[in-house]
Amino acid sequence: NAGVTQTPKFQVLKTGQSMTLQCAQDMNHNSMYWYRQDPGMGLRLIYYSASEGTTDKGEVPNGYNVSRLNKREFSLRLESAAPSQTSVYFCASSELRGETNEKLFFGSGTQLSVL
Amino acid sequence: RKEVEQDPGPFNVPEGATVAFNCTYSNSASQSFFWYRQDCRKEPKLLMSVYSSGNEDGRFTAQLNRASQYISLLIRDSKLSDSATYLCVVISLNTDKLIFGTGTRLQVFP
Repeated sequence: NAGVTQTPKFQVLKTGQSMTLQCAQDMNHNSMYWYRQDPGMGLRLIYYSASEGTTDKGEVPNGYNVSRLNKREFSLRLESAAPSQTSVYFCASSELRGETNEKLFFGSGTQLSVL
Repeated sequence: RKEVEQDPGPFNVPEGATVAFNCTYSNSASQSFFWYRQDCRKEPKLLMSVYSSGNEDGRFTAQLNRASQYISLLIRDSKLSDSATYLCVVISLNTDKLIFGTGTRLQVFP
C-alpha cells in the first residue's frame, strides 16, 4: 500500500518548457489536490478534484492545468514554465468529497526549479 | 494581515522540556482546526485535530481559544524526534477552504 505517489521528485526546467507532474493514490479516495509550498507562504491550493471527471480551481491556478484521468490519477501540467513557478509541489488525496476535508494524505513532493 | 499566522521560530529546546506554540486566525467564522507536522524536505502529516474542549494525544495537547482566536499545541517531555515544523490548519465556515499557516519550526537538542 504505497499511499500517494508523485513523480518526479526533482525537476529543472528552462523558462518556456512544459512538463507534467504525475500523481497516483491507491487508497480509493474521491478527492485529490495539488498544492505548492513556498518559503514564508505556506501551502497554497492550485487545483483540486472532488471526484473522477471533475476539477476546480484553487487559490493559485494561473499557469497550470490539471487532468483527473481516473479515480487513481491526478496530473498537473505546466504548459510554459516561468521562474515564479519554482516551488515544491505536493499532491494529496482525501476520502471526503469537496475542497475541505480533515485528513489529507500527501505525496512526497516534487522540487521544481525554473531557470 | 494573513488569515492564519504562526511564529516561524525556530524554538530551540532541550530534551525533556515542555514547549508550546500558538497559531492565531483572523476569521471568526473559522470552524475546524488542525495541527500537521512536516519534517525537513518531507510531506506534511496530520498530527491531531483540535476540538473545542481541548484534546490530548500522549505528550501532545491541543487547545482552542475562540474568544482570542488562537489554537495552541503543547508538547511535553520533548524528544529529539519531535524536531520538525508544525503547521496550523484552519477551515473557514465562510469560504469552506483549508488555510495553512507557514509553520513553526521546533529543534530539540540533546
